[in-house]
Amino acid sequence: NFMLTQPHSVSESPGKTVTISCTRSSGSIASNYVQWYQQRPGSAPTTVIYEDNQRPSGVPDRFSGSIDSSSNSASLTISGLKTEDEADYYCQSYDSSNHGWVFGGGTKLTVL
Amino acid sequence: QVQLVESGGGLVKPGGSLRLSCAASGFTFSDYYMSWIRQAPGKGLEWVSYISSSSSYTNYADSVKGRFTISRDNAKNSLYLQMNSLRAEDTAVYYCAKVDTAMAYYFDYWGQGTLVTVSS
Repeated sequence: NFMLTQPHSVSESPGKTVTISCTRSSGSIASNYVQWYQQRPGSAPTTVIYEDNQRPSGVPDRFSGSIDSSSNSASLTISGLKTEDEADYYCQSYDSSNHGWVFGGGTKLTVL
Repeated sequence: QVQLVESGGGLVKPGGSLRLSCAASGFTFSDYYMSWIRQAPGKGLEWVSYISSSSSYTNYADSVKGRFTISRDNAKNSLYLQMNSLRAEDTAVYYCAKVDTAMAYYFDYWGQGTLVTVSS
């Protein structure tokens, strides 16, 4: 079993770039794909990144994902921040050792 | 388009039972794994359970193992979660989600959720 650790909150100004990290506690970050979900207040989560760095159709290219084996972490980068990007963001990976799914604790993004 | 609509949530006393349903449309339901994920008030997402396309395989989070049972009816395009011996800590919005298993095993579509409140 492993855990995914995210910063509790980040904030940045409109037009800037922000990066949210997701660190895997054990096992290689590259062992299983990482996904990122956006959850606006009162709404269900939606996928913004899947398979480490793929964007679903309809997600703007301001959103990008990557993994870094040296830090055993994944990152979600949002460039050209807009007020509509203000939301909670969750990373997620599949634990193939016990057929379960792991979520990070979530990061609240404030765009001010 | 894919639609997932949960129902069955409500207020239940500790120790009670509740059955959640999820009606699916817009995709070939019988081809896909399905899952339940929950979110306690003000908290993060917690995976609860999954079921394979033909119901051959299921799995549960340790927090619900032995109390919750996931099932599906492919003829009715429906997913279920039977929740027994409910506890206050089971209070949450419960989401059903379609699982994409092509590569990443992730939740590509989510319902809007149904609220379960466990309180006396």
